Amino acid sequence: QKEVEQNSGPLSVPEGAIASLNCTYSDRGSQSFFWYRQYSGKSPELIMFIYSNGDKEDGRFTAQLNKASQYVSLLIRDSQPSDSATYLCAVKGGQAGTALIFGKGTTLSVSS
Amino acid sequence: GAVVSQHPSWVICKSGTSVKIECRSLDFQATTMFWYRQFPKQSLMLMATSNEGSKATYEQGVEKDKFLINHASLTLSTLTVTSAHPEDSSFYICSARDSGTYEQYFGPGTRLTVT
Repeated sequence: QKEVEQNSGPLSVPEGAIASLNCTYSDRGSQSFFWYRQYSGKSPELIMFIYSNGDKEDGRFTAQLNKASQYVSLLIRDSQPSDSATYLCAVKGGQAGTALIFGKGTTLSVSS
Repeated sequence: GAVVSQHPSWVICKSGTSVKIECRSLDFQATTMFWYRQFPKQSLMLMATSNEGSKATYEQGVEKDKFLINHASLTLSTLTVTSAHPEDSSFYICSARDSGTYEQYFGPGTRLTVT
């Protein structure tokens, strides 16, 4: 069973700072990695995905993947109070191999 | 954009009764849909993978006779919680995989409370 580990936090950063969220995964064969944001009582929203080693940038978000270390991170630049949420890391897995397997999530709090 | 709906959005039922939750892809076809359960302050736990026209694939520890899944069309999957108990109270979320693009889209979730 594939496992995804995240520090549950909470991670607190001031408005305008960089928030760094980290995730490790157990299956060295994992190929695709996803970051979701979830607000309380709502379903997850996709932020971005990454398949290749290195960095991938999308606006204020940068995903970083290091397959040798089995490590994925998400950087949020210029953090805003509206970024306060739980951030979920996910990999493809499950019995059928096509579902998303989520970590426990890291709660981010951005103070104004 | 791709939209997935769930019905009902919330439901309260008595212990021992059964509850059906629907998951629909509104503007795309989904050969595969997924059912998750989320308890308060915990992550989404995959329950099963639902495939149109065939039996669902359940994750370890999920009782297939208690959580009945039917995926009878390319736009609809249903999850029936049979003989519900208070410990089944949870947030149930489905996601649908677009058969053309393979992208996954989440429904808004169904909050089940069993009294």
